Amino acid sequence: AQSVTQLDSHVSVSEGTPVLLRCNYSSSYSPSLFWYVQHPNKGLQLLLKYTSAATLVKGINGFEAEFKKSETSFHLTKPSAHMSDAAEYFCVVSNTDKLIFGTGTRLQVFP
Amino acid sequence: GAVVSQHPSWVICKSGTSVKIECRSLDFQATTMFWYRQFPKQSLMLMATSNEGSKATYEQGVEKDKFLINHASLTLSTLTVTSAHPEDSSFYICSGDRDRKETQYFGPGTRLLVL
Repeated sequence: AQSVTQLDSHVSVSEGTPVLLRCNYSSSYSPSLFWYVQHPNKGLQLLLKYTSAATLVKGINGFEAEFKKSETSFHLTKPSAHMSDAAEYFCVVSNTDKLIFGTGTRLQVFP
Repeated sequence: GAVVSQHPSWVICKSGTSVKIECRSLDFQATTMFWYRQFPKQSLMLMATSNEGSKATYEQGVEKDKFLINHASLTLSTLTVTSAHPEDSSFYICSGDRDRKETQYFGPGTRLLVL
């Protein structure tokens, strides 16, 4: 069965510093992986999606994630955090037609 | 593109009443719509999957008689919480996909408080 584990429930960074949100997955076959962001009182927004093409996936707002099969990881990064990046981030794996969500990582950005 | 709306955005009701939540795909036809529940500071848990014109498929542990789902068209799905109780208070989120392309587009959610 597919699952994802988000290793940090909270991450705090200063504005302008790099962001790293960690995610490990478990899948019996080549998975489709996603990162979604949830801002307060707003719907989840797709940041990026991996579907067995390029292992480095570029998303919106300067985010990117690298699929590493040997490490079963799909960490989300951004070179320079912005105050508007503060939100809840979910790593998600697709199980045929269903999405399996990780427990989420709350990103705080300090000025 | 790929905008999903939900109505209402929040609702407060008395215990024992029923509440209907609408989910609409505004600029695309959703082959499949999904209903999730999110408790405070927790992840999204899939409740059910519905395809237009057919019965919804409920996840294990979700009472189908309590959470009635109707997917009458490719742009509208409704979730009715029947005889709501305080433990049903939660954040309900819907999503739709296009042409089974795995990517789901999410609504802004409906916050339900049952007194």
